[in-house]
Amino acid sequence: EPEVTQTPSHQVTQMGQEVILRCVPISNHLYFYWYRQILGQKVEFLVSFYNNEISEKSEIFDDQFSVERPDGSNFTLKIRSTKLEDSAMYFCASPGPTYNEQFFGPGTRLTVL
Amino acid sequence: DAKTTQPPSMDCAEGRAANLPCNHSTISGNEYVYWYRQIHSQGPQYIIHGLKNNETNEMASLIITEDRKSSTLILPHATLRDTAVYYCIVTTDSWGKLQFGAGTQVVVTP
Repeated sequence: EPEVTQTPSHQVTQMGQEVILRCVPISNHLYFYWYRQILGQKVEFLVSFYNNEISEKSEIFDDQFSVERPDGSNFTLKIRSTKLEDSAMYFCASPGPTYNEQFFGPGTRLTVL
Repeated sequence: DAKTTQPPSMDCAEGRAANLPCNHSTISGNEYVYWYRQIHSQGPQYIIHGLKNNETNEMASLIITEDRKSSTLILPHATLRDTAVYYCIVTTDSWGKLQFGAGTQVVVTP
């Protein structure tokens, strides 16, 4: 089965600090997504990225968030100045070979103190 | 995308079939029914999808009613590893954003 990888698996940071979460999607896909899940709550869509541009974003994805593709094989989600409420699991996803499904990574647990 | 309604929880005995219902009464003609599951805090996992015909793969079967207003995901022989939250999602395209609801917490017991 195709695999999406994420690093780090757990990130602890102080409020106000910048964090960068990394993801390596299934290769050769132009589509890419970030979701988050606050503990005990549902999975929420953050942003979709297509061909090096944001194609859609939710109201959660404000100016504190940004996504980049620093090279051809990985994507990053940056939170410029973390808040306590940013503590959550962050999942990246990319379509599978047939575009019929999305494959999710194992997630990065972000803890903001 | 149309909204879905699922029971919050259900139990299933190991080895028995688990039938998970989903209501999507406002589904439109070009919307697919997708099922994902999330085991503990892992990333969601795709299970199956369909438009109007019943579908089966190695993980599960999907039964969609003729009027497409509801569907049932069937896990034919539930195992302890099937304990997870199961999400029914209706969407027009698989490569767009997925709108997750609360899902159904399925607990498979020995």
